[in-house]
Amino acid sequence: ILNVEQSPQSLHVQEGDSTNFTCSFPSSNFYALHWYRWETAKSPEALFVMTLNGDEKKKGQISATLNTKEGYSYLYIKGSQPEDSATYLCASFGAGSYQLTFGKGTKLSVIP
Amino acid sequence: EAGVAQSPRYKIIEKRQSVAFWCNPISGHATLYWYQQILGQGPKLLIQFQNNGVVDDSQLPKDRFSAERLKGVDSTLKIQPAKLEDSAVYLCASTLAGGGHYEQYFGPGTRLTVT
Repeated sequence: ILNVEQSPQSLHVQEGDSTNFTCSFPSSNFYALHWYRWETAKSPEALFVMTLNGDEKKKGQISATLNTKEGYSYLYIKGSQPEDSATYLCASFGAGSYQLTFGKGTKLSVIP
Repeated sequence: EAGVAQSPRYKIIEKRQSVAFWCNPISGHATLYWYQQILGQGPKLLIQFQNNGVVDDSQLPKDRFSAERLKGVDSTLKIQPAKLEDSAVYLCASTLAGGGHYEQYFGPGTRLTVT
């Protein structure tokens, strides 16, 4: 079972601020890294699936980078809005594994 | 397309009672997952199905938990008897196929409280 760590555990920012979170994972036997957004009372929603070292992906004001050699991924939100308030989960999929291992998440609160 | 459906959304039971959760994945998705998410933790995989066969159930407490996916579509997860530590959100997810490069589509979850 992989050990996936996320930081910070929670974050409060003002509307319009930019922010970023970190996900660290074992770099050995890496296969894929997933980011999900989970709003309260809704279904977790996939943001990105990343597999290549150096990969950068973007969806609207949200972007993510991946470093498989050192085992970390950053998620960036530019100009946070109240609707960005959610828990952001990352999960790692190891080569030869059948399952995603999730971190505990970063809970983001954007204050209007 | 319709998303992953789960029911019930909330359930409160007493310890030692039984409970069952239902999941209907996205049409055409061969792989179905059940996760348990305890407050303050990340989701933990309980069982993975490929069509109607079990791929991984290594973290399923088989003395009290059972799951089935008859006909390779809908799935049910049962707990019998429930313990206090089973209080959690139970998430169902599906993908086109197994493998880490497919994003998972989640249902809204069932929040179980065991008193």
